[in-house]
Parts: sequence; structure tokens; C-alpha cells
Amino acid sequence: EAEVAQSPRYKITEKSQAVAFWCDPISGHATLYWYRQILGQGPELLVQFQDESVVDDSQLPKDRFSAERLKGVDSTLKIQPAELGDSAMYLCASSLFGRPPPGELFFGEGSRLTVL
Amino acid sequence: AQKITQTQPGMFVQEKEAVTLDCTYDTSDPSYGLFWYKQPSSGEMIFLIYQGSYDQQNATEGRYSLNFQKARKSANLVISASQLGDSAMYFCAMREGRGTGFQKLVFGTGTRLLVSP
Repeated sequence: EAEVAQSPRYKITEKSQAVAFWCDPISGHATLYWYRQILGQGPELLVQFQDESVVDDSQLPKDRFSAERLKGVDSTLKIQPAELGDSAMYLCASSLFGRPPPGELFFGEGSRLTVL
Repeated sequence: AQKITQTQPGMFVQEKEAVTLDCTYDTSDPSYGLFWYKQPSSGEMIFLIYQGSYDQQNATEGRYSLNFQKARKSANLVISASQLGDSAMYFCAMREGRGTGFQKLVFGTGTRLLVSP
């Protein structure tokens, strides 16, 4: 069982609705990542947090996506309004600096979004 | 430019046979790390094996080994004695830099492996 917790596992929503995903990383992991994985493709980074600060959100579509990690622990990714092209798996991962191998990510089971 | 290239969309192998999954990468950073992850149908990404750019020997983890050819910029995953449970998507990924905590992993498009009885 994954130690990175994500919810919901599955979400079906209609176009233009708002949707939110939650992630609780492994305890003590300061770095948290949200990846988007479109069916048949590899994960692509949306946003990376170091504690509560965003260190990389260059690929986050900021007109509709937002992410926060207010207390540096759990995180929420929001989409508003959802579009058909947002249908994908949203993967949360965390990492611990200094734990070998350097850069290893620990993933949750993902949240699969279907936009109708 | 694509940093990680996996040219095999799908591979088939019979149970107990060995299979090689290809991965090439592109970086100008002398310090980097290469990872292979397995993604079963459940969706979770499972870490398999790691190779650092300065590692002299090819990495091995049980039935998994990494054929690291630095000059060719390739990092192929070899699975020996395939099992039915090995059927999954396999992703190659790269970390650039020494892993200060701010690095991210860049993933390839993956290879779907199907193991038949």
C-alpha cells in the first residue's frame, strides 16, 4: 500500500465544473510534486513544492489550475473550470533530501479524472 | 528537445524469458541520475532501479539490471526470468544535477510490457 495518500481515487465531472485533489505525502518529506499523466504518456510535472513554497510551477496552466501546501504538509490541487483535455491521472509524489538514491520519488496511487 | 526517449511502445515476452526495455537520454549536465519505475494497472509508480552518472558499475536489483552505456547515453532495463506479474507500464526517468532536493524527475513515454504464459 502506498504511503503517499491521495483522494479521491476516481473523479468524474462535467466540463466547466470545479474539481479538487488532495495529497498527504510521507511524513517528513519536505518536497512534494504534482504530476499529470495523460493516458498512454509519461507523467509531466505540474508543480513542485519545497515545504510550503512553490519552486517550480512553469508547466501549471495558471488560468485554471491552482495548488497550495499551506502548512508544508498536505497539498491540494484545484482545477476550475475543468475542460475535456484535463482528463488524466493526477499523481502526487514526495521525496526526502539526503535519502539515497538522490531524487527518488515516492508516488501515491493517483487520482483519475474524467471530464464529460 | 526530448530528454528521455523510449522507442518501444509495447513489448511482448514469454514467462521465464529475459527482456530489455530501451531508454536513451539527453543532458549536458555531468551529474545526473537515471531511474526506472513500474506502473501496474492500479496506477501507482513503483521504483525499480537507479543508476548515477558517476557509478562505475551497472546497477542491479534482484531480477532487474540496468545496462548503462554512458557514451551512447543509454540506460536500458533488463528484466531476467520474466514473471506474469511483470506485465505493466515501465518508465525511464532522469534527474539532472546532484539531487539537492529541488530537482525533479523527467519521464519518458513508457513501454508497455506484456508477459505471456
